Amino acid sequence: DGGITQSPKYLFRKEGQNVTLSCEQNLNHDAMYWYRQDPGQGLRLIYYSQIVNDFQKGDIAEGYSVSREKKESFPLTVTSAQKNPTAFYLCASTLGPNGNEQFFGPGTRLTVL
Amino acid sequence: GDSVTQMEGPVTLSEEAFLTINCTYTATGYPSLFWYVQYPGEGLQLLLKATKADDKGSNKGFEATYRKETTSFHLEKGSVQVSDSAVYFCARRAGSARQLTFGSGTQLTVLP
Repeated sequence: DGGITQSPKYLFRKEGQNVTLSCEQNLNHDAMYWYRQDPGQGLRLIYYSQIVNDFQKGDIAEGYSVSREKKESFPLTVTSAQKNPTAFYLCASTLGPNGNEQFFGPGTRLTVL
Repeated sequence: GDSVTQMEGPVTLSEEAFLTINCTYTATGYPSLFWYVQYPGEGLQLLLKATKADDKGSNKGFEATYRKETTSFHLEKGSVQVSDSAVYFCARRAGSARQLTFGSGTQLTVLP
């Protein structure tokens, strides 16, 4: 079955440590996205990538970094520079230039202790 | 800039009640409009969409009509079930940009 996988589902880290969240898709989608979701709020775009080896900052990119070395993978690193990293992180992808629907992964809940 | 404004929740209804969740959007360009649903601890799933004015999206008994004159895309369902309890997000996508702009979400709880 095609889809988006995110791992792990729950992640705990100590303050000051960098942590990398995994996102893999086997849908052959061109574009991939990372969102952050906080309680009672909508999704805010962190980074997105429309093609391999290219990515763009979203609305809240500070303290985060990404890479897109392969079409199917778009890992997100939460660095120690991110002031409030505890949140639910969602990865999504879109098919082609005219693809309307974004498909979402199940999310990773990051808790920084 | 682009924005989406959703009715604030939480919304609590009894089973078989009528549901309306309001959503309005900024009218820049000719956006496509979406409703996504999020069940507890999960990612978002597309519920329905509409790509041009007067289009009606529908799925699983939910409907929403793209109203250009009122810049609205309200979600409705005639008879909700307990299994509809979730958070509902309205979103827009404008022009060639593939990014979505989301509303803040509306928590729906349906009681038996």
